[in-house]
Order: sequence, then C-alpha cells, then structure tokens
Amino acid sequence: DAKTTQPTSMDCAEGRAANLPCNHSTISGNEYVYWYRQIHSQGPQYIIHGLKNNETNEMASLIITEDRKSSTLILPHATLRDTAVYYCIVYFSNTGNQFYFGTGTSLTVIP
Amino acid sequence: NAGVTQTPKFRVLKTGQSMTLLCAQDMNHEYMYWYRQDPGMGLRLIHYSVGEGTTAKGEVPDGYNVSRLKKQNFLLGLESAAPSQTSVYFCASSSWGGSSYEQYFGPGTRLTVT
Repeated sequence: DAKTTQPTSMDCAEGRAANLPCNHSTISGNEYVYWYRQIHSQGPQYIIHGLKNNETNEMASLIITEDRKSSTLILPHATLRDTAVYYCIVYFSNTGNQFYFGTGTSLTVIP
Repeated sequence: NAGVTQTPKFRVLKTGQSMTLLCAQDMNHEYMYWYRQDPGMGLRLIHYSVGEGTTAKGEVPDGYNVSRLKKQNFLLGLESAAPSQTSVYFCASSSWGGSSYEQYFGPGTRLTVT
C-alpha cells in the first residue's frame, strides 16, 4: 500500500533552502515519519525522523503538520552534494512491520 | 568499524544458475534486511530477519531464500536465476530501537541475469 505521496522531481538553487513535501494522510497515531536519501545509486542514508514535533539535526529539519497528514523536509542551504532521491516513509517499530520506500523525490541542486 | 558490507559488488549470471549474496554487519544489530532496486524504482523489501535464526518474507520474496545462522550475517540465495531478477540488491541492518529505527545500508550488489 502506498502510504506516502511525494512529487516526482524538484529543483533547487545552490545555497537556497530545499523544501521537500510529503503527504501521508492515512498515517496512524503511532507511526513515525522517516526521511532517507539515496545519492547516485549508493545505499540509502538516514536523514531524520519524527512523530509529532518538529525535529532538527545537523543535516535537515522536519516539519510535521498538526494533523500529521503531511510533512516537509527542509535542507536549509542546499549544496550540489544534496542532489539525490529523497524518500519519505511512515513506519511504526514493531515486530514484523516493513519499510516502504516508494519512488521518492528526485532533487536536483542547480549551481 | 566497517558498518554493512556486501559481497560481491557485481555479478553476472546465466538463467538457471544459482548464487548467494553475503551481507555482514559489525554493529551488533538485531534486524537485517534484503532489498532490491530496479531502475527508476524505489527499494522493495525481499526478506528480513528480526534475530539470529529467524527470517520473514517481505514485499517481493518469490524466487529468493535467506538464512541468518549468525547474528552478523544475512545471506540471500537465488536458486534458479531469472532475467527478472536483474537488479541492484541492498542489505541493511538496524537495532531494535523503539522510536529510533535507523537502517544502515550496504553499498549494494549489482546483479545481471542473462
């Protein structure tokens, strides 16, 4: 089942903030929102995750709406190395559950 | 600390041949996973394991078998390779972390079946 919806592709100017949206209207109360990215066919890399509150780490910020039906990943100052496919995943950590990656958003950072 | 390693990095098989992909992790993680990624697609879960000696089917398990005899290793087997199994295979591991469920991925194995 497709649990998340993301735009297929986005462009962002180098140095500007990249805002990547994700819709997860069927998210349940105990499911977290995770973001991963995949650079040029390498293994995916964890970015950030959250449940209700906004989160920030050294890589990005995650803004989750109050109703939790959508979220936005923010890369505050995009660089060329941020060009990648970004995956939004909803997940609850219990035995037997699975990560569904979907097709993600292909972000291109333009010089 | 090597993280997650995969062997081999590349492989070409003929239809009907068999092979085993090895995944090893040195982070003492309980969970391990095998994914496949076809061109232009996201990752799809093949099989996973929640601990030594246990395995379970993922989204696309047909044509594959797995074994987790040691905690640090997770093997993916193809008994009779088919061209439809041409893909990039990624292994991942994670700890049983409650709210934190970060998966660590290997570099991938590129498999071509002719």
